[in-house]
Amino acid sequence: AQKVTQAQTEISVVEKEDVTLDCVYETRDTTYYLFWYKQPPSGELVFLIRRNSFDEQNEISGRYSWNFQKSTSSFNFTITASQVVDSAVYFCALSEAQTGANNLFFGTGTRLTVIP
Amino acid sequence: DAGVIQSPRHEVTEMGQEVTLRCKPISGHNSLFWYRQTMMRGLELLIYFNNNVPIDDSGMPEDRFSAKMPNASFSTLKIQPSEPRDSAVYFCASSSVRGPVYNEQFFGPGTRLTVL
Repeated sequence: AQKVTQAQTEISVVEKEDVTLDCVYETRDTTYYLFWYKQPPSGELVFLIRRNSFDEQNEISGRYSWNFQKSTSSFNFTITASQVVDSAVYFCALSEAQTGANNLFFGTGTRLTVIP
Repeated sequence: DAGVIQSPRHEVTEMGQEVTLRCKPISGHNSLFWYRQTMMRGLELLIYFNNNVPIDDSGMPEDRFSAKMPNASFSTLKIQPSEPRDSAVYFCASSSVRGPVYNEQFFGPGTRLTVL
């Protein structure tokens, strides 16, 4: 069963628009961790945020904000006032604690294009 | 601080040749991961090490793939013999794992492998 679903394959917005990237996860563990990574055209994977399953407080970092809702198993990512530099593929990922594994299950990614 | 270092950044080889990818994790990190990224399969974990010991290699595609971590500051991923379907970007990532706390993984720049 797919553990992380990013239903939006591609999104295009005009600069300065707000955009939300959706992430839905599936796990039976009561303790787990959620992550967002950014992959710009240069190819590297850049860590953006980690969230623990027992902390549902939303977080804001500059133009970025994250909405974690356990009731809907979602961990959505919003970029406010998008900029061209935000153009990238964004990956949501899950790590399950009780399996004893430390690996990340990645979604298929959402390609965001910000049009100037 | 130096991030995860991978070499080479690009590798072009012919089918049947041996390929060795190298990774130096972030100093002080005790977990190391090898991922492969392709258009068809996305990001998939190949193997990971905790304290230089391989923990889960279930993602290694077949016996042609092998990975070692002789010490805390160096790991290799070897493909012998290489095949065109091995063409992908190979990422190395490292993390600091302490007990049940799962910290974020930091990725290297990747090695783009092309097997002709």
